[in-house]
Amino acid sequence: GAVVSQHPSWVICKSGTSVKIECRSLDFQATTMFWYRQFPKQSLMLMATSNEGSKATYEQGVEKDKFLINHASLTLSTLTVTSAHPEDSSFYICSAGHRQPNQPQHFGDGTRLSIL
Amino acid sequence: EDQVTQSPEALRLQEGESSSLNCSYTVSGLRGLFWYRQDPGKGPEFLFTLYSAGEEKEKERLKATLTKKESFLHITAPKPEDSATYLCAARMDSSYKLIFGSGTRLLVRP
Repeated sequence: GAVVSQHPSWVICKSGTSVKIECRSLDFQATTMFWYRQFPKQSLMLMATSNEGSKATYEQGVEKDKFLINHASLTLSTLTVTSAHPEDSSFYICSAGHRQPNQPQHFGDGTRLSIL
Repeated sequence: EDQVTQSPEALRLQEGESSSLNCSYTVSGLRGLFWYRQDPGKGPEFLFTLYSAGEEKEKERLKATLTKKESFLHITAPKPEDSATYLCAARMDSSYKLIFGSGTRLLVRP
């Protein structure tokens, strides 16, 4: 299946720090990438949808200035959690989508973010 | 409101004990119903896509079926390595977005 690489896999940092998470589509061109957040024993909550070369579309309740998304190429999207606080601690997962909407999204292995 | 509901929330089976997981959806203009497997600390791994009622797909011990209102993931003679959380997700017409259910945590005991 398609390979999506997410880095780092885990990060621990102090409150107030900004953290950047990278999502790379290794074997196909991803016109659309998605960023999800997952709390323990809960399902995935879509945070935002990013299309290559354009601004991301954020879901209701997600702060645009807190979660900065950049999708500069067909193989790379980044999520930056700015001025992170303990309540931002979570499991963040990206996925990449093909040009054809009927094709499945393929997910990275997630980033465990812990803010002290 | 578009919604995906999975049941049961958790399921414990003995090795070899077959069962089914349910995914009910109320989505306008279903574009595809997706099943994923998620292991702890990992991202979801794609299993199946179903597009129309009556469609079935199989992979090893898993078989997914689809009706106009729900999808089932049948697990035949499961093994401990099938233990995971199984997620279903629906894609609406004219959208790339997936609406996820809350998942079924499956534990298969040897």
